[in-house]
Amino acid sequence: AQTVTQSQPEMSVQEAETVTLSCTYDTSESDYYLFWYKQPPSRQMILVIRQEAYKQQNATENRFSVNFQKAAKSFSLKISDSQLGDAAMYFCAYRTLSGGGADGLTFGKGTHLIIQP
Amino acid sequence: NAGVTQTPKFRVLKTGQSMTLLCAQDMNHEYMYWYRQDPGMGLRLIHYSVGEGTTAKGEVPDGYNVSRLKKQNFLLGLESAAPSQTSVYFCASSPRIRPGQEYSPLHFGNGTRLTVT
Repeated sequence: AQTVTQSQPEMSVQEAETVTLSCTYDTSESDYYLFWYKQPPSRQMILVIRQEAYKQQNATENRFSVNFQKAAKSFSLKISDSQLGDAAMYFCAYRTLSGGGADGLTFGKGTHLIIQP
Repeated sequence: NAGVTQTPKFRVLKTGQSMTLLCAQDMNHEYMYWYRQDPGMGLRLIHYSVGEGTTAKGEVPDGYNVSRLKKQNFLLGLESAAPSQTSVYFCASSPRIRPGQEYSPLHFGNGTRLTVT
């Protein structure tokens, strides 16, 4: 079974600065996706960024980028120019391609991100 | 296009009572999922379904039953509620991942907050 570990229960950053959230995972498979989800107090699950394991290039979405290290099984999220609206719980998640992805997502325990004004 | 709709949004039960949570999706997705979210634990998979009439156990299935009689609906039942089942429950759906097709992410409902006293 796959596992996803987020070792930072809480992180705090000053507005406009950069913060990096850590995630490691364990799998024996070679084809999979990795994700970062944002969950604000509204409870809505918002997909922030996706990385395909076969792609060496790190995914980027505006102020959000990842550092994907496949051999190390590491997948960190960097948020640049932090904004007050970035405050939320952030979940790292894994999804295998085998079986058409039937197993769904495996989540880490989450990191609570606080933005200091 | 409503996406994934969960009913109800909130519920309070007494220990031993039963209830059913309803999830409906209008995207013709093959796969459907039930997750629970507890503080500090992330989202954990309870049960899932890969198609009408099929169900499978996830990581934390005990105390829950599910049914998928129609492709668009996925029901989660608690036969005898326990305080340990106090949680936020999320339903999600997705199409099957097909090689060569653009990835379509899981679509989440807005969650049901269940309290068992």
